[in-house]
Amino acid sequence: DAKTTQPNSMESNEEEPVHLPCNHSTISGTDYIHWYRQLPSQGPEYVIHGLTSNVNNRMASLAIAEDRKSSTLILHRATLRDAAVYYCILRRRGGGSNYKLTFGKGTLLTVNP
Amino acid sequence: NAGVTQTPKFQVLKTGQSMTLQCAQDMNHEYMSWYRQDPGMGLRLIHYSVGAGITDQGEVPNGYNVSRSTTEDFPLRLLSAAPSQTSVYFCASRTSGGEAGEQFFGPGTRLTVL
Repeated sequence: DAKTTQPNSMESNEEEPVHLPCNHSTISGTDYIHWYRQLPSQGPEYVIHGLTSNVNNRMASLAIAEDRKSSTLILHRATLRDAAVYYCILRRRGGGSNYKLTFGKGTLLTVNP
Repeated sequence: NAGVTQTPKFQVLKTGQSMTLQCAQDMNHEYMSWYRQDPGMGLRLIHYSVGAGITDQGEVPNGYNVSRSTTEDFPLRLLSAAPSQTSVYFCASRTSGGEAGEQFFGPGTRLTVL
């Protein structure tokens, strides 16, 4: 399985944008890029996913490099509620066993008031 | 919709005891899975199921059994609990088909084995 690399931790200030990077240099053409986050003492929560093009939803934006070897999760205005561990995960396209998610240690985001 | 529910929320076992962690979802999802999360670590996949009657092993299946007799339920059984199984256990589900990305996770069961 292709591997992702994320910084262990990042810090931001409330109401400022946050850019969370992820490197995945061995990504294959059939891998989706998924982002999940885990708030303290809760289960993971889906944030966003993409394949080749940049994606936006109500929670965040996902910017994918042209060569797909890296991506960036963008929180446009961080709030205290966004403090969490953010996981960047590659998932092989297709169904069945390809629905498995492989979690790394993620990036711990601290948001300062 | 209640989403993914897990019971119990907390459990303390003695070494050698057995128990079943319950997981249920009301979204008619075909795919369900169990993860464990140790302190400071990411989640690791224990077992998963792509539909009723079909299960398969994940990354860390030893010491755990599963079965899937209905679409809604996916219980995880610990046959003889060991201290190394002290962890937080999460159940997840998603629909099959299409390219929808979202897996839904339950709130977790915190298990301590003494």
